[in-house]
Amino acid sequence: DIQMTQSPSSVSASVGDRVTITCRASQGIKYYLVWFQQKPGKAPKSLIYAASSLQSGVPSRFSGSGSGTDFTLTISSLQPEDFATYYCQQYDSFPYTFGQGTKVEIK
Amino acid sequence: QITLKESGPTLVRPTQTLTLTCTFSGFSLSTSGVAVGWVRQPPGKALEWLAVIYWDDDKRYSPSLKSRLTITKDTSKNQVVLTMTNMDPVDTATYYCVHRPCISDRCLFDPWGQGTLVTVSS
Repeated sequence: DIQMTQSPSSVSASVGDRVTITCRASQGIKYYLVWFQQKPGKAPKSLIYAASSLQSGVPSRFSGSGSGTDFTLTISSLQPEDFATYYCQQYDSFPYTFGQGTKVEIK
Repeated sequence: QITLKESGPTLVRPTQTLTLTCTFSGFSLSTSGVAVGWVRQPPGKALEWLAVIYWDDDKRYSPSLKSRLTITKDTSKNQVVLTMTNMDPVDTATYYCVHRPCISDRCLFDPWGQGTLVTVSS
């Protein structure tokens, strides 16, 4: 299985802050990476697909970058509704695997 | 509009077999590039892929659970069924089904069903 390592595991930030989350794959996965946002008691919501493409309907303050083994999710100006847990997931090979999650908390 | 909804028992006894049904609308699982998969999430823990079934009836399973899982589709009913045998309390989790369309090698994993919490307990 391909291991996905996210960092940090949690981050405290204020509204308006720029937040960056990184995800590293244990082997090269080209751009076969997606980012999800999950709020308590809810299903994950897709934000970014193919490493850098914005899912339809997702605000432009979310962006993704990277290829190969290193990827980044950036929230350019954190909004109150962005406090949630974020997961990366590779789809280069099955089993698709997720990172362990990054919880974005209010400072 | 694409929707998916999971259904099945909320409580399963240890050693029993779990059968979950994903009923979807707004797309066809006979369309090239489309797949439906199952993901679970134990309380307070991370997400884990279990199985996926593709438009051409190809199937993939998590190697750690392969001996216990079966995924099937009924295209006419717009349903995907997952069975998991020999349930254990560690299998207590919310189980989600998810729509996975691809255009070339660019794949989306959207939308997800609302999830169904399955508790394994005697």
